[in-house]
Amino acid sequence: KQEVTQIPAALSVPEGENLVLNCSFTDSAIYNLQWFRQDPGKGLTSLLLIQSSQREQTSGRLNASLDKSSGRSTLYIAASQPGDSATYLCAPTGGSQGNLIFGKGTKLSVKP
Amino acid sequence: GAGVSQSPSNKVTEKGKDVELRCDPISGHTALYWYRQSLGQGLEFLIYFQGNSAPDKSGLPSDRFSAERTGGSVSTLTIQRTQQEDSAVYLCASSPRWQGASTGELFFGEGSRLTVL
Repeated sequence: KQEVTQIPAALSVPEGENLVLNCSFTDSAIYNLQWFRQDPGKGLTSLLLIQSSQREQTSGRLNASLDKSSGRSTLYIAASQPGDSATYLCAPTGGSQGNLIFGKGTKLSVKP
Repeated sequence: GAGVSQSPSNKVTEKGKDVELRCDPISGHTALYWYRQSLGQGLEFLIYFQGNSAPDKSGLPSDRFSAERTGGSVSTLTIQRTQQEDSAVYLCASSPRWQGASTGELFFGEGSRLTVL
């Protein structure tokens, strides 16, 4: 059964810092991995989708990497802004079930 | 609509009553998922549909929970004889055509917040 761990659980940084969020998963037989952000009281917004054949994906100030063999993914946020404050969730998809398994997220707070 | 639509956005009910939650996915998306998020907890997978069939019902917490999807579009999650522990936000997501075992990008609705008194 896939288990997903995200470290740290919470992170507070001053505006402008570059930061890294970590995600690890126990079953490396995944097809892809998706990163989301969730604002308080809202649904999830997709940030990046990395296919298993890819090693990284970039969107603006966000860069996500995937090391499938070691069961790890990182989300790099460059030049953080207060608007980046949210909970960030990673979710690998694997096996024949097709459902994503979510970590508990990293709650990010960027101080002005 | 352009995104995944869920209704109601908020529902308060009394213990023992039945509730129905509705999800209208993005047009053309064949895969549809239901998740539950309890206060301070992560997302718990409930069920997913590929077309009108549900290959994986393993996440439904009890036989009080059921879901259906008709016409490959709208889905309804029904909770019978609600209990206080059913209080949570129920999130629906849809995904483009599912090819083989690889799912495409997931798009979530805003959720239905259920409170059982």
